[in-house]
Amino acid sequence: GAGVSQTPSNKVTEKGKYVELRCDPISGHTALYWYRQSLGQGPEFLIYFQGTGAADDSGLPNDRFFAVRPEGSVSTLKIQRTERGDSAVYLCASSWTGDTEAFFGQGTRLTVV
Amino acid sequence: AQSVTQLDSQVPVFEEAPVELRCNYSSSVSVYLFWYVQYPNQGLQLLLKYLSGSTLVKGINGFEAEFNKSQTSFHLRKPSVHISDTAEYFCAVKGLDGGSQGNLIFGKGTKLSVKP
Repeated sequence: GAGVSQTPSNKVTEKGKYVELRCDPISGHTALYWYRQSLGQGPEFLIYFQGTGAADDSGLPNDRFFAVRPEGSVSTLKIQRTERGDSAVYLCASSWTGDTEAFFGQGTRLTVV
Repeated sequence: AQSVTQLDSQVPVFEEAPVELRCNYSSSVSVYLFWYVQYPNQGLQLLLKYLSGSTLVKGINGFEAEFNKSQTSFHLRKPSVHISDTAEYFCAVKGLDGGSQGNLIFGKGTKLSVKP
């Protein structure tokens, strides 16, 4: 596609529920990143994929968060047992390789009530 | 590990005035440096980047930044701002050691507010 696409754009869920956030990177980009942006803060790194494998998942806050990229293209960020503190904008970005500039999607705004 | 400090959380400025948004970083390895802009209700857009070569980097919308290795800074400048430059600006660093390559670390952002 022309740019990084994230769906849904908005998600409201109840505390304790499970959510999945989807990212479609730019076609051909091998690197994919997930970030979380809380109100008034800069994007906080969560996980970085190079191809199908997670090259760096050191930013995942706890074991409720998990991400996959099974075919090296689309990625899904999964959050179990959501908490109100998980409310944020979740950003996805992709790049040709890990060395080149990253292009960001519009984000998914997650609200946990 | 890398870190980024944006010293000003908010910068108000009048239209057509010059502006400088400050960014300092820390890293034990060589880095790439980036500035991103986020307009209200929009995603992050790359303004400019420093990878190597000339330390003065020019970007879109008339912005430029200068990499200063000795001061570990990468300040963003524009000689004359427009109302349309009102946005939040993020400085980011990417370390070039194998373990963290690809991982962009962002500052907390600077909100630029241009007044008529």
